[in-house]
Amino acid sequence: ETGVTQSPTHLIKTRGQQVTLRCSSQSGHNTVSWYQQALGQGPQFIFQYYREEENGRGNFPPRFSGLQFPNYSSELNVNALELDDSALYLCASSSRVGANTGELFFGEGSRLTVL
Amino acid sequence: AQRVTQPEKLLSVFKGAPVELKCNYSYSGSPELFWYVQYSRQRLQLLLRHISRESIKGFTADLNKGETSFHLKKPFAQEEDSAMYYCALRYSGGGADGLTFGKGTHLIIQP
Repeated sequence: ETGVTQSPTHLIKTRGQQVTLRCSSQSGHNTVSWYQQALGQGPQFIFQYYREEENGRGNFPPRFSGLQFPNYSSELNVNALELDDSALYLCASSSRVGANTGELFFGEGSRLTVL
Repeated sequence: AQRVTQPEKLLSVFKGAPVELKCNYSYSGSPELFWYVQYSRQRLQLLLRHISRESIKGFTADLNKGETSFHLKKPFAQEEDSAMYYCALRYSGGGADGLTFGKGTHLIIQP
């Protein structure tokens, strides 16, 4: 069973640029969620994708957007980067099939630094 | 809006001593609560959920709706329990399942 994988692991951008982060979900999982974890904070829910559509969003502006592909992998796009976007971005996959236990399986994250 | 509070950023106890990591929540709906753990150089993973009422690695947590708490307890701490612990509240809205996490408590077990 392959776990959640994310790329890149680290990247540096400058203010105003755009970034795309990628995530491959765990085998058998059809739902992907993205979280932002700033230093010293817990993860914050950005949005969730199910069946290639956004299925709920946290308190993040529209410049945070995403995609889910037919193979359930996902991208997180952030436009017009701001310094406060510097954080660890976590992808988590889960399954909606059968009893939904609410358990999320996390990747190791992509650490974004905005200068 | 939902909120999860973990009042201790750092908790240090000696091996063999009891451990209690505090978690309080605010949520207008019916709460579903979890503890996630992150060991050194590992990814965030589920430790336990209140619905299961299970004991994992000797840890238990009871949901107290009156006190809006979900404290994590273990009677005898072990060195391998050293990790970052996050309390999380699951909310459902608009068809999505999101987790609201607390800021986390860094648990250090001293030998």
